[in-house]
Amino acid sequence: DVKVTQSSRYLVKRTGEKVFLECVQDMDHENMFWYRQDPGLGLRLIYFSYDVKMKEKGDIPEGYSVSREKKERFSLILESASTNQTSMYLCASSSTPPAAFFGQGTRLTVV
Amino acid sequence: KQEVTQIPAALSVPEGENLVLNCSFTDSAIYNLQWFRQDPGKGLTSLLLIQSSQREQTSGRLNASLDKSSGRSTLYIAASQPGDSATYLCAVCSGAGSYQLTFGKGTKLSVIP
Repeated sequence: DVKVTQSSRYLVKRTGEKVFLECVQDMDHENMFWYRQDPGLGLRLIYFSYDVKMKEKGDIPEGYSVSREKKERFSLILESASTNQTSMYLCASSSTPPAAFFGQGTRLTVV
Repeated sequence: KQEVTQIPAALSVPEGENLVLNCSFTDSAIYNLQWFRQDPGKGLTSLLLIQSSQREQTSGRLNASLDKSSGRSTLYIAASQPGDSATYLCAVCSGAGSYQLTFGKGTKLSVIP
């Protein structure tokens, strides 16, 4: 079975902190994604990567950056956390052609 | 830009009933469509994937159909059970060169014992 693992289920951070969310997949997938999910807004794509060291902006990249140094690992970075970044963050990976598999999610609260 | 709509937003049915969840999309030039299940506070679990050349896929009590020309997909759940209670999302991949999925906002299903 494909496994996508997010490093934390729950995180509480303070405003202004630099926050790292880590995601690891074990299926040698080329593509990896970071989404955030908010009530009433659904899933929105933050960033995605289709290869090591490659990244593309999604629909809402502002306030975020990403890093993909190894094929299996895709990190989401909140440079200076703000309260409006409190959300559920979901990582996914997919093969080509794409069939997406998701991690268990990280519930981030910024106080 | 692709838009995906799921109606209804919420559905409540008695246990044992057969039900259909609907998904529509605006651009029929899709590569595939995927149905997911999400339990409260959890990630998404892939249920079924339909390639654009396929009309339907089946897994156990679940059957997903795709009518690309009309921009519609349905997820049929037979003999519903309380354990089926969850939010169901559909997602469309538009084009072979694009790796992005466009999601609907989901249908929250409650199966009443």
